[in-house]
Amino acid sequence: AQSVTQLGSHVSVSEGALVLLRCNYSSSVPPYLFWYVQYPNQGLQLLLKYTSAATLVKGINGFEAEFKKSETSFHLTKPSAHMSDAAEYFCAVSASTGNQFYFGTGTSLTVIP
Amino acid sequence: GAGVSQTPSNKVTEKGKYVELRCDPISGHTALYWYRQSLGQGPEFLIYFQGTGAADDSGLPNDRFFAVRPEGSVSTLKIQRTERGDSAVYLCASSLRRGPSNEQFFGPGTRLTVL
Repeated sequence: AQSVTQLGSHVSVSEGALVLLRCNYSSSVPPYLFWYVQYPNQGLQLLLKYTSAATLVKGINGFEAEFKKSETSFHLTKPSAHMSDAAEYFCAVSASTGNQFYFGTGTSLTVIP
Repeated sequence: GAGVSQTPSNKVTEKGKYVELRCDPISGHTALYWYRQSLGQGPEFLIYFQGTGAADDSGLPNDRFFAVRPEGSVSTLKIQRTERGDSAVYLCASSLRRGPSNEQFFGPGTRLTVL
């Protein structure tokens, strides 16, 4: 079975500060991992994905994530937060044996000017 | 290009009524997914179509929920005898092909409120 845990339902950072959103996964088979962002009244948009190539994955809008098998983690980072980064962020896992995504409960990011 | 579209964007109904929610996937995408997102939660899988057939419906909560995709494009999620607990945002996603590594493109969702 696959699952995702996102620590911290709400994260606040100052504009220009480091963004760190945590995601830990559980999977009995090699996982594929995704980060999605959801702006108010919009659909989920893919930020980046890990599909067993490079462990450090770069995505859109300056975000990146590192797959750490030993820690079963896939934390999302951005060196310098921008006001436009304020949104809900979801980590998701899928398994090589299936097609559906399993989502975490989400982290709401607030950027303080 | 056009993304995934869902209609209606909002639906308010009374307990016990029947509702249909429509999803138009991206043209050419063979895989289509329905998810349900309750307040404060992440999306939860309901059903997955590959072409016209439901390849995995293990997420449907009970037999009041049913979905079709008769021509392999547009899909309709149908809920009979709605209950207040069915209130949620229903999300549709599509991907170019099947497979767990393929990006799913999401629509904006239909917010269902059952009074």
